[in-house]
Amino acid sequence: GQQLNQSPQSMFIQEGEDVSMNCTSSSIFNTWLWYKQDPGEGPVLLIALYKAGELTSNGRLTAQFGITRKDSFLNISASIPSDVGIYFCAGQLRTGGFKTIFGAGTRLFVKA
Amino acid sequence: SAVISQKPSRDICQRGTSLTIQCQVDSQVTMMFWYRQQPGQSLTLIATANQGSEATYESGFVIDKFPISRPNLTFSTLTVSNMSPEDSSIYLCSVPGTSGRMDTQYFGPGTRLTVL
Repeated sequence: GQQLNQSPQSMFIQEGEDVSMNCTSSSIFNTWLWYKQDPGEGPVLLIALYKAGELTSNGRLTAQFGITRKDSFLNISASIPSDVGIYFCAGQLRTGGFKTIFGAGTRLFVKA
Repeated sequence: SAVISQKPSRDICQRGTSLTIQCQVDSQVTMMFWYRQQPGQSLTLIATANQGSEATYESGFVIDKFPISRPNLTFSTLTVSNMSPEDSSIYLCSVPGTSGRMDTQYFGPGTRLTVL
């Protein structure tokens, strides 16, 4: 079945640093989604990408839909302590309905 | 985006009992999804709940263990039956994006279940 490889698994960074994480797959996806999950909360949608090559920003966050449709990255610039959390990528396939596959998550720790 | 609420937010249950989790959405949606997130893990789809029809279960999940109701377009329940400690997880309700944008997806706050 389809799988997403999300990396890195975890990151320990200093406040103010930039962060990059990515997801790759052997499958082609129609949509890429990036979520953030805080402890004890549900995932919150950060960015949605709908076209190959699309580059979208949301404040300090920037994500891109890979040109091959098999990968995506998320960058966070000038990290702050509230960026701490788990970031999930998700790829969606349209197969009749649609199916969403989630990555394993990247745990981000920011040191003030 | 849709506003999704879940009840209860957390519970501690005894082995062998059952718990019903409620999901309420502030807009009508055709599909509602139920996910499980085991400790430290990613999200796994349990089933898709469509109004007026039986839920569609993913491989590894069965109706007897996770019965689902979908009485209308804004509400669904998931029951975790005959619980064991392995059922300790966060259970999340999810809906597709509104405004015809089916390929986004929003999540409720989750129900954190601990089974003793």
